[in-house]
Amino acid sequence: DGGITQSPKYLFRKEGQNVTLSCEQNLNHDAMYWYRQDPGQGLRLIYYSQIVNDFQKGDIAEGYSVSREKKESFPLTVTSAQKNPTAFYLCASSINRHNSPLHFGNGTRLTVT
Amino acid sequence: AQKITQTQPGMFVQEKEAVTLDCTYDTSDPSYGLFWYKQPSSGEMIFLIYQGSYDQQNATEGRYSLNFQKARKSANLVISASQLGDSAMYFCAMRDSGGSNYKLTFGKGTLLTVNP
Repeated sequence: DGGITQSPKYLFRKEGQNVTLSCEQNLNHDAMYWYRQDPGQGLRLIYYSQIVNDFQKGDIAEGYSVSREKKESFPLTVTSAQKNPTAFYLCASSINRHNSPLHFGNGTRLTVT
Repeated sequence: AQKITQTQPGMFVQEKEAVTLDCTYDTSDPSYGLFWYKQPSSGEMIFLIYQGSYDQQNATEGRYSLNFQKARKSANLVISASQLGDSAMYFCAMRDSGGSNYKLTFGKGTLLTVNP
């Protein structure tokens, strides 16, 4: 079955460590996205990529980095510069078409202590 | 800059009744699309329904329909015959034409609770 796989589901890290969240899709979608969700907040866009080897900052990119070396993969690194990294992270993909919905993975819950 | 507003942090509805979840948006772009997603407590985001700004009719998908009032910039989700499984967070989102930009901007969501 086609879909988006995020791993791991739960991730725990010590403050000051970088951590990389995995996102893989086999839907053959060109565009991929990373969103962050905090309690009481909607989804906020961190980074997005519309084609391989290209990506753009979203609304809250500070303290995060991404790469898009393959169409199927869009890993997100949460760096030690991110002041409040504990959150629920959602990866999504879509066709580059305006009426195309985003397809989401099941998310990674990151806890930094 | 586009903006999505969902003014109802929480809503309650009796099983089998209909419920309307509000969404207003702000964009200066004549071409845009509106999406609704459901997020159960498990965290997955489930796409429900889409409405394009140029669509002549309100979108419907099974028990979901969209009350699209373009002049008022509102795109309310109507769920008919509510079921216990409809209890979840619901998010409204928008994509405008923004050049080649395909990102979605989300509202803060409405938590719907269906009572038996």
